[in-house]
Amino acid sequence: NAGVTQTPKFQVLKTGQSMTLQCAQDMNHNSMYWYRQDPGMGLRLIYYSASEGTTDKGEVPNGYNVSRLNKREFSLRLESAAPSQTSVYFCASSHPGQRIWDNQPQHFGDGTRLSIL
Amino acid sequence: GQQVMQIPQYQHVQEGEDFTTYCNSSTTLSNIQWYKQRPGGHPVFLIQLVKSGEVKKQKRLTFQFGEAKKNSSLHITATQTTDVGTYFCAGLNTGTASKLTFGTGTRLQVTL
Repeated sequence: NAGVTQTPKFQVLKTGQSMTLQCAQDMNHNSMYWYRQDPGMGLRLIYYSASEGTTDKGEVPNGYNVSRLNKREFSLRLESAAPSQTSVYFCASSHPGQRIWDNQPQHFGDGTRLSIL
Repeated sequence: GQQVMQIPQYQHVQEGEDFTTYCNSSTTLSNIQWYKQRPGGHPVFLIQLVKSGEVKKQKRLTFQFGEAKKNSSLHITATQTTDVGTYFCAGLNTGTASKLTFGTGTRLQVTL
């Protein structure tokens, strides 16, 4: 049971290059998320998708785009990479809760370590 | 926007000592979750608290949710080297369905 799979695990880019981070989950979860993690700042939500066909901005969406390709896959694209986007990127998925206060645990992938020179 | 702060940022203890991390939200939360991230790893869900004043235990870990649902704590009794990692709280704000706000995290180091 793979859970949440992210590719690639590591990537080095030059400023201005573009790339897409891939994420796939096999748990039949409706909701998927992209976070970035920087030292001392915890996890910050970039974009999320509450269900197939919908996407919404999170706390730090500037410089990123997302695509919810189907229920399994949620990709994150950097159109023109900047050094400030050097970070560890995590994809996560979850079931929505039955009630607004009954949120389900998020399951995380292993992360993509991205360096932009 | 909602902010979730954790203190301390870092704590170094000797094995066998107790450890506590505190989580404070700027807004009232619907529920709060706790995650653990080992060095080089990804966050792993530990527990969820929903009710005001709720206390839950997992072996040596005790989790509390404040009466006003704006703060929470995680207490580890008699730490072990396997407890090393960063502990995050994550709050769900009413009206932000499925969208958690993660705290800044507390990094725990345990030495023999």
